[in-house]
Amino acid sequence: AQRVTQPEKLLSVFKGAPVELKCNYSYSGSPELFWYVQYSRQRLQLLLRHISRESIKGFTADLNKGETSFHLKKPFAQEEDSAMYYCALSRQGAQKLVFGQGTRLTINP
Amino acid sequence: DTGVSQDPRHKITKRGQNVTFRCDPISEHNRLYWYRQTLGQGPEFLTYFQNEAQLEKSRLLSDRFSAERPKGSFSTLEIQRTEQGDSAMYLCASSLVTGDNSPLHFGNGTRLTVT
Repeated sequence: AQRVTQPEKLLSVFKGAPVELKCNYSYSGSPELFWYVQYSRQRLQLLLRHISRESIKGFTADLNKGETSFHLKKPFAQEEDSAMYYCALSRQGAQKLVFGQGTRLTINP
Repeated sequence: DTGVSQDPRHKITKRGQNVTFRCDPISEHNRLYWYRQTLGQGPEFLTYFQNEAQLEKSRLLSDRFSAERPKGSFSTLEIQRTEQGDSAMYLCASSLVTGDNSPLHFGNGTRLTVT
């Protein structure tokens, strides 16, 4: 069965501090991993996907198949990063997503 | 805003009533998804369409739920004989299927409250 676990429901860091949002997954095949973000009063939107291997808004995420993890990282947090973050998984080539419970990130000034 | 549009934004209904939600995807997108999100949880997959064909339904989708996409454009999700447990945010998403896994574009959702 496909499962995504985000162990932290809430995460609070100070502006300028490093941020790491944890995501672990369970899947028997080769998954595709995504991070979606929802800013206050906005719709859910894609932040980044592992196959793109790109940095978006200073965020990066590396797929670690050995640890079955896809943690989201940013070296220096900014106040505008405050949002709800969801890790999601899909089967390769498919688009149906399985989401984690989400982590609410708050950046304190 | 040419993104995914959902109507209504909010719906309050009494238990036992039927409700219908509408989703208008991004115009060139051929896939349309319905998700449900309850408080404190991530979105859960309900069903999806490619053009007008409904290709997959989740076990979460009981017999009281039906979704259609008659002309391969907008979609409707109907819940019959609503129950309090149906209270949730119902999200629609669309995408354009190409060679790779193109991202889903979500709407703002319809928040259903069953009293």
